[in-house]
Amino acid sequence: EIVMTQSPATLSVSPGERATLSCRASQSVSSNLAWYQQKPGQAPRLLIYGASTRATGIPARFSGSGSGTEFTLTISSLQSEDFAVYYCQQYNNWPSLTFGGGTKVEIK
Amino acid sequence: QVQLVQSGAEVKKPGASVKVSCKASGYTFTGYYMHWVRQAPGQGLEWMGWINPNSGGTNYAQKFQGRVTMTRDTSISTAYMELSRLRSDDTAVYYCARDDGYNPWAYYYFDYWGQGTLVTVSS
Repeated sequence: EIVMTQSPATLSVSPGERATLSCRASQSVSSNLAWYQQKPGQAPRLLIYGASTRATGIPARFSGSGSGTEFTLTISSLQSEDFAVYYCQQYNNWPSLTFGGGTKVEIK
Repeated sequence: QVQLVQSGAEVKKPGASVKVSCKASGYTFTGYYMHWVRQAPGQGLEWMGWINPNSGGTNYAQKFQGRVTMTRDTSISTAYMELSRLRSDDTAVYYCARDDGYNPWAYYYFDYWGQGTLVTVSS
């Protein structure tokens, strides 16, 4: 099973600042990586797939990069609605799909 | 618009079974794989498996093999996930989530999610 490790566990950022979240895979997943946002009491929402392609309706301030084992989600200028938990998910090793442990982005 | 509406919260005793439903609307139900993902309280996401609503074919995560059964009823565009021999650590919110790929191709990431169903296992 591919283990996905996210860092940091918690990120404290002021509104308007840039946030950079990391996701590392225990072995290469090529570009088969997705990012999700989850707010309290809600289901996850797809942000990014293919490591860097924004899903439908996702604002341009969200961007993804990386390939192989190292990936980054960047939120260029944090808005109040962006404070949430973010998860990465690999789908290279299907049918075994695995998520990272999540990064909580909180208000500084 | 695509909607996945799940059944309501359940409370079960250890050793019992639970069956969660996920009713799809706004798209061709048989056109997209359906996955199930769970989330224990305060924890991360855990993929459980998928069902191909067109063929009924399934694939389960190794951890749940022998305890989980995923089925569907195409006449009412509904997918089901049944988990048996429940333990206290099965307490979680269970989500159905649609695959972004169009049958027969699955992409294995999820573009629409149900609202979640809380299953509590307690004696």
